[in-house]
Amino acid sequence: NAGVMQNPRHLVRRRGQEARLRCSPMKGHSHVYWYRQLPEEGLKFMVYLQKENIIDESGMPKERFSAEFPKEGPSILRIQQVVRGDSAAYFCASSREANYGYTFGSGTRLTVV
Amino acid sequence: GESVGLHLPTLSVQEGDNSIINCAYSNSASDYFIWYKQESGKGPQFIIDIRSNMDKRQGQRVTVLLNKTVKHLSLQIAATQPGDSAVYFCAEIQGAQKLVFGQGTRLTINP
Repeated sequence: NAGVMQNPRHLVRRRGQEARLRCSPMKGHSHVYWYRQLPEEGLKFMVYLQKENIIDESGMPKERFSAEFPKEGPSILRIQQVVRGDSAAYFCASSREANYGYTFGSGTRLTVV
Repeated sequence: GESVGLHLPTLSVQEGDNSIINCAYSNSASDYFIWYKQESGKGPQFIIDIRSNMDKRQGQRVTVLLNKTVKHLSLQIAATQPGDSAVYFCAEIQGAQKLVFGQGTRLTINP
């Protein structure tokens, strides 16, 4: 029973490029959450999705960031025209029920050079 | 906005001793709290949770205490082991949909 799978584990992008982060939730989990973690800080909520729906995107920057969780396939967090300040660890969590039993993935560490 | 914060950023204890990690929260309406452990290069790992209708909950070597009067949460780890070295976060559910994390406490176990 695989856990939450995130890929890639490490991603390096030049300023202005696009970053695509993938998250496959645990089997049977239909709720997906994305969090961002800066060094030496806690995780900050970004977005909560269910299949084909964005439930809460109050933590998403207004520009350049988008997320989706299609009917088939993984959830994608997309960052367009990356800047150095986007460098962080991005974690995905999934749950079977809303706000209960979160399981986190190992994260994608994005470095913008 | 409302936030969850921690009193100490670092904590060092001797192997075998007990450790206590503290957390203050500001949203008196919060009713569900979770402690996570995060090791270097890994995602947060669930340790223990507690609902606001409880004052105390125990797990294996861990105890969480909740004091709603002063809005304070603590995690006690008994008989610490080297594998307990990690960053510990408290988190609360806010607005029925968001998990809000505190800054974290780095626990170091000295041999």
